[in-house]
Amino acid sequence: EPEVTQTPSHQVTQMGQEVILRCVPISNHLYFYWYRQILGQKVEFLVSFYNNEISEKSEIFDDQFSVERPDGSNFTLKIRSTKLEDSAMYFCASGGMNTEAFFGQGTRLTVV
Amino acid sequence: AQKITQTQPGMFVQEKEAVTLDCTYDTSDQSYGLFWYKQPSSGEMIFLIYQGSYDEQNATEGRYSLNFQKARKSANLVISASQLGDSAMYFCAMRGFPTDSWGKFQFGAGTQVVVTP
Repeated sequence: EPEVTQTPSHQVTQMGQEVILRCVPISNHLYFYWYRQILGQKVEFLVSFYNNEISEKSEIFDDQFSVERPDGSNFTLKIRSTKLEDSAMYFCASGGMNTEAFFGQGTRLTVV
Repeated sequence: AQKITQTQPGMFVQEKEAVTLDCTYDTSDQSYGLFWYKQPSSGEMIFLIYQGSYDEQNATEGRYSLNFQKARKSANLVISASQLGDSAMYFCAMRGFPTDSWGKFQFGAGTQVVVTP
């Protein structure tokens, strides 16, 4: 079964540092998403990406965040200057032309 | 705007019993997909089952079935023969087709299921 792969599974970083979270979506998918989930809280939408550009973003996705699809396979989320409140589980998801879509296993980001 | 409602914050179920997790949704999109995910304490989001809005038959995947009632806008998950390993948070989610492309997932608040021996 195809799967979405995220690396690393866990990242610890110091406040103010830049982090890049990586995702390898399913190869023939066209839609890509990043979500986050602060521990014990709801799953929050960050950004969606289609046709090589951002199609929608939430209020959370401010200037500190950016996404890229640098080589046609990877899909990355960059946080330029991490804050303590960025500590969360970050999920990548990809979807095809039908309604099916899959999430990665998540990256647990801890900002200290 | 889309909305997903899960009214059961937590449920206890005995091993081998069936359990139904409620999910209602609201959308103006003509096409949409409904998903259920399981999130164990380890945190990963595990895909369980999916129902497209135009699918006439209810989806089934092993012990999971989705009771899709389009007119009522409900998509309840039924887990048959519960196992201890089913203890987890369960999320209902929807992905719609608002214009000419697929939109984001909208998640419910989740239902915490605890299976007891």
